[in-house]
Amino acid sequence: NAGVTQNPKFQVLKTGQSMTLQCAQDMNHNSMYWYRQDPGMGLRLIYYSASEGTTDKGEVPNGYNVSRLNKREFSLRLESAAPSQTSVYFCASALDRANYGYTFGSGTRLTVV
Amino acid sequence: KNQVEQSPQSLIILEGKNCTLQCNYTVSPFSNLRWYKQDTGRGPVSLTIMTFSENTKSNGRYTATLDADTKQSSLHITASQLSDSASYICVVPFGEGQGNLIFGKGTKLSVKP
Repeated sequence: NAGVTQNPKFQVLKTGQSMTLQCAQDMNHNSMYWYRQDPGMGLRLIYYSASEGTTDKGEVPNGYNVSRLNKREFSLRLESAAPSQTSVYFCASALDRANYGYTFGSGTRLTVV
Repeated sequence: KNQVEQSPQSLIILEGKNCTLQCNYTVSPFSNLRWYKQDTGRGPVSLTIMTFSENTKSNGRYTATLDADTKQSSLHITASQLSDSASYICVVPFGEGQGNLIFGKGTKLSVKP
């Protein structure tokens, strides 16, 4: 049982380049989330999908887009990367929005130069 | 303003010793508080979830306490092991449906031999 799988694990981009971070879960969870983690700060929510077919902005959505491809997959896209988007990105899933048990992926470390 | 504050920021202890990590929150209404362990280079993993009616909950060598009156929680680690070296993050849900989470900045624990 893999849980939440993220790809890639590491990525270096040049300013202005685009990329998509992939996330998939195999727990039949309804809700999925994208967070970023920066030094000295708590995790911050970028976007979430409460259920298949819906997406909503979180605390820091600017510069990002998401797609809930199906119940299993939730991708995060950077259309034009900026150095301020250098961060570690975590995908998470939960049975539903109010469920206590979040499962996190192992993260994608992104550097924008 | 909803906030989660953790102390200390970092802590170094010798293997076998006990330690206590603190979390103060100003979230209202309050329903539950979660402690996560995050190993270096990994995603957070849930240790325990405390509902407002619970005072103490144990998970092996980890014991969490909650005082909903003073809005404080602590995580006590007994007989520490090298594998306890990690960041410990306090998380509190807030908002309508309690589907939003506030993450503390974490306490970085280093256990030395």
